[in-house]
Amino acid sequence: GEDVEQSLFLSVREGDSSVINCTYTDSSSTYLYWYKQEPGAGLQLLTYIFSNMDMKQDQRLTVLLNKKDKHLSLRIADTQTGDSAIYFCAESEAGNAGNMLTFGGGTRLMVKP
Amino acid sequence: DGGITQSPKYLFRKEGQNVTLSCEQNLNHDAMYWYRQDPGQGLRLIYYSQIVNDFQKGDIAEGYSVSREKKESFPLTVTSAQKNPTAFYLCASSIGPYTGELFFGEGSRLTVL
Repeated sequence: GEDVEQSLFLSVREGDSSVINCTYTDSSSTYLYWYKQEPGAGLQLLTYIFSNMDMKQDQRLTVLLNKKDKHLSLRIADTQTGDSAIYFCAESEAGNAGNMLTFGGGTRLMVKP
Repeated sequence: DGGITQSPKYLFRKEGQNVTLSCEQNLNHDAMYWYRQDPGQGLRLIYYSQIVNDFQKGDIAEGYSVSREKKESFPLTVTSAQKNPTAFYLCASSIGPYTGELFFGEGSRLTVL
């Protein structure tokens, strides 16, 4: 079955860039997502990328997709303490299975002042 | 404001008891989901419902039951058959089955004593 892998933990200093990485195995993945979970709360969609794209930028967030290597990354520029959270990548297929997400284990980002 | 409301936020249960977690949405979404989250693991799908009066088992449905009698409501019952019920439970919804943009509630933390 599908598998999505992420490193467990990342620590950065305030103002630095953060890069959170994700690998997936399903070559039929059509959409890839990044969700953010703050402590004790639900997940919130940050951004997503369609599989025919290499890059997507949204303010401080940059998503890079290497489809050949099945590698997805999320770069957060000028990381702030408010960015401290768990970040999940997820993948899905198109069409009627578009809402059947496979989530990675999450990367806990700690931002030090 | 539109959103998803889960209750209770914290719940304690003795072994052998059934408990029901509430999930209500006023987003007019057709699809609703229940996920289980354990520390260091990704979200695992328990049950989902693509439309009112219909629901399907997810990856870890054993020991759980749901109903979808109203579009707005998707309660989850954790039965005594669930061997390891202590976890954080997340309810989510989406417009339909073709999008991975899920909207999550704040979660319910169940502890079995």
